[in-house]
Amino acid sequence: SAVISQKPSRDICQRGTSLTIQCQVDSQVTMMFWYRQQPGQSLTLIATANQGSEATYESGFVIDKFPISRPNLTFSTLTVSNMSPEDSSIYLCSVKSGGRGNIQYFGAGTRLSVL
Amino acid sequence: GIQVEQSPPDLILQEGANSTLRCNFSDSVNNLQWFHQNPWGQLINLFYIPSGTKQNGRLSATTVATERYSLLYISSSQTTDSGVYFCAASGNTGKLIFGQGTTLQVKP
Repeated sequence: SAVISQKPSRDICQRGTSLTIQCQVDSQVTMMFWYRQQPGQSLTLIATANQGSEATYESGFVIDKFPISRPNLTFSTLTVSNMSPEDSSIYLCSVKSGGRGNIQYFGAGTRLSVL
Repeated sequence: GIQVEQSPPDLILQEGANSTLRCNFSDSVNNLQWFHQNPWGQLINLFYIPSGTKQNGRLSATTVATERYSLLYISSSQTTDSGVYFCAASGNTGKLIFGQGTTLQVKP
């Protein structure tokens, strides 16, 4: 299995500011994913972050709002820019295990509240 | 892309009862996982089961890939089983798509 550490675990932010979420994995992985879970909803994929290339965003998510960095095979960041209360969600980092087939593992998430 | 539907959306049980949660998916899959999200929001991997049957204690899961569904069985439910159960599947794109979840409440 993969051990994923996310920071911060939670934050309360003011409208109009930005927050960068960090995701650290204990092993090298090719593909890292960022998900959003709005209150009472399921998880929605924001983007796929591959090392050495631009992140691939899903429909409804844009790079200006959610810039992603992937400087190496064990680390990624997601920034939530110019936040509004609608951005209040849990943001989760996920990786696909290279060993046991296609299993995906998730970090504990970052619980974001925007006032 | 793949669509994932779960049923029922909500389920209330008395402690000790058994239950079956269902997950239908729209296309062939190379990954299907069941998760339990605890009250603190953490996703717990229950099963990786793109096909076949697996058991882990009081939980078991079966995926019939040819008929595009998976079932999660919970036997002798306990209050600690409460939470949201998600099914997620991916196909050729490798993107794991989540169903809307089943919210389970087990009453003492």
